[in-house]
Amino acid sequence: NAGVTQTPKFRVLKTGQSMTLLCAQDMNHEYMYWYRQDPGMGLRLIHYSVGEGTTAKGEVPDGYNVSRLKKQNFLLGLESAAPSQTSVYFCASSDPHSGGPEQYFGPGTRLTVT
Amino acid sequence: AQKVTQAQTEISVVEKEDVTLDCVYETRDTTYYLFWYKQPPSGELVFLIRRNSFDEQNEISGRYSWNFQKSTSSFNFTITASQVVDSAVYFCALSGIQGAQKLVFGQGTRLTINP
Repeated sequence: NAGVTQTPKFRVLKTGQSMTLLCAQDMNHEYMYWYRQDPGMGLRLIHYSVGEGTTAKGEVPDGYNVSRLKKQNFLLGLESAAPSQTSVYFCASSDPHSGGPEQYFGPGTRLTVT
Repeated sequence: AQKVTQAQTEISVVEKEDVTLDCVYETRDTTYYLFWYKQPPSGELVFLIRRNSFDEQNEISGRYSWNFQKSTSSFNFTITASQVVDSAVYFCALSGIQGAQKLVFGQGTRLTINP
């Protein structure tokens, strides 16, 4: 199993550009999450999903949108990138109904907005 | 609101020393989960351990041990006989038990083991 994969691994955007980050998991997990990691601040939750077709806001949702059209995929969109969105983005998945509450993380996407 | 504090920003020790990473948390929930994750220089996040709030039994796994004390809201992590491969950033995290277990992370402790 590949676990949780993220595409792309690196990206540089200009202010105002848009992009979509793709997260895929092959563990049949019900829950999926998007976090951002900034220096000295740990990880903060952006959006999450408790099942196909459902999404909800986390701690820092402004400037981002998400979609969960298929159980295995969770997309994070930036409609108009800003320098404050320069960060490392991590996707995670879990399934407390079958596998326990611990979340398994993807390798991360390093995004720079200039 | 939930909060996790890792007061030690950076720790540097010589190989084979024992080292303890501190984690203090705040929550109004009566039941919750606590976690430790490791982030090696390669950048990925690796799950280490999960504890339930109703289970205060300490746990040992090889050179790693965890001390959960509900009375002081602490969940400390000790590495015995540290090795260079233990060098990483370590995160403590907290979540509720019901619904989506949204993780609240501490700021992380960067641990450097010098040969």
